[in-house]
Amino acid sequence: QKEVEQNSGPLSVPEGAIASLNCTYSDRVSQSFFWYRQYSGKSPELIMSIYSNGDKEDGRFTAQLNKASQYVSLLIRDSQPSDSATYLCAVRADGLTFGKGTHLIIQP
Amino acid sequence: ETGVTQTPRHLVMGMTNKKSLKCEQHLGHNAMYWYKQSAKKPLELMFVYNFKEQTENNSVPSRFSPECPNSSHLFLHLHTLQPEDSALYLCASSQEWGNEQFFGPGTRLTVL
Repeated sequence: QKEVEQNSGPLSVPEGAIASLNCTYSDRVSQSFFWYRQYSGKSPELIMSIYSNGDKEDGRFTAQLNKASQYVSLLIRDSQPSDSATYLCAVRADGLTFGKGTHLIIQP
Repeated sequence: ETGVTQTPRHLVMGMTNKKSLKCEQHLGHNAMYWYKQSAKKPLELMFVYNFKEQTENNSVPSRFSPECPNSSHLFLHLHTLQPEDSALYLCASSQEWGNEQFFGPGTRLTVL
């Protein structure tokens, strides 16, 4: 059974610091990896996708992928209170499997 | 706006009512999904349609009945629901099954 694991948190980070969110997956043939942000009571919003090993940067967000170790992470630089949300990791391998999400709190 | 719309946005119904949720995507995608998300719980995949054919039904009770008349529209018909069915119901679509999904705003359902 394919699994995507995330620490549920809450992860508390001071404003302006780097928030680091981690995700591990079980299926070695996974091809594509996505990060979604979900504010309370709202629907998930796609913020990053990554397909090959290494780093991918988009503004304050950096996704990191290590297929050998089967983990993908999301770094948020200069964290803002508006980044407070639940972050969902999703992995493609025979369908798209979502993790349970990490609740991030940015403390002003 | 993600190109996926859902109506109604809020719905309150009694246990004996029949209602339907509607989802429409304007992205030209071929796969559509229904998810349930209860308060402070993870997403639960309910149904998957790929090219209008149902490919997954994750042990969902028969009081939930999906319908996909074409690749742009998806319905969820509700009948004799229980209070524990109260949740946020999310529709999503993707270009192909397994690709990144784009979510609609959801329908907040309350069953009295």
